Amino acid sequence: DGGITQSPKYLFRKEGQNVTLSCEQNLNHDAMYWYRQDPGQGLRLIYYSQIVNDFQKGDIAEGYSVSREKKESFPLTVTSAQKNPTAFYLCASRRSTDSYNEQFFGPGTRLTVL
Amino acid sequence: GNSVTQMEGPVTLSEEAFLTINCTYTATGYPSLFWYVQYPGEGLQLLLKATKADDKGSNKGFEATYRKETTSFHLEKGSVQVSDSAVYFCALSAPNAGGTSYGKLTFGQGTILTVHP
Repeated sequence: DGGITQSPKYLFRKEGQNVTLSCEQNLNHDAMYWYRQDPGQGLRLIYYSQIVNDFQKGDIAEGYSVSREKKESFPLTVTSAQKNPTAFYLCASRRSTDSYNEQFFGPGTRLTVL
Repeated sequence: GNSVTQMEGPVTLSEEAFLTINCTYTATGYPSLFWYVQYPGEGLQLLLKATKADDKGSNKGFEATYRKETTSFHLEKGSVQVSDSAVYFCALSAPNAGGTSYGKLTFGQGTILTVHP
């Protein structure tokens, strides 16, 4: 079955540590996205990538970094510079030929910084 | 810029009641409109979409009509079930001032729906 996997589902880290969240898709989609979800605030875009080896900042990129070395993978690193990292993180992908821009989402990773 | 406004929640209904969740938007050009649903502890699933004015999206008994004159995309269901309890997000995709969108979605803040037996 095609889809998007995110791991781990729950992640706990100490303050000041960097942490990397995994996102893998086997949908053969070119574009991938990272969102952050906080209660009552909807989803906010962190980074996105249209093709391999290229990515752009979204609306709240400060304190985060990404890489896109493979089409299937788009890992997100939450650095110690992110002031309030505790949140639910969602990865999504899109077929670049889809002019209506429907995105497919993974199950999410809940990060808690202690 | 683009924006989406959803009605304030949470919404609490009894089973078989009628549901409306309001959604209005501001966007450049002609956006595509979406409703996504998020069940507890899970990611988002596309519920329905509409890509041009007067289109009606429908799925699992839910409907929403793209109203360009009122810039709205209200979600409705005639008879809700306990299993419909979830968070519902209205979203749009529209080109920016440069004419491209890069597939970016703009989301509303989400509406929590709880249905009691």
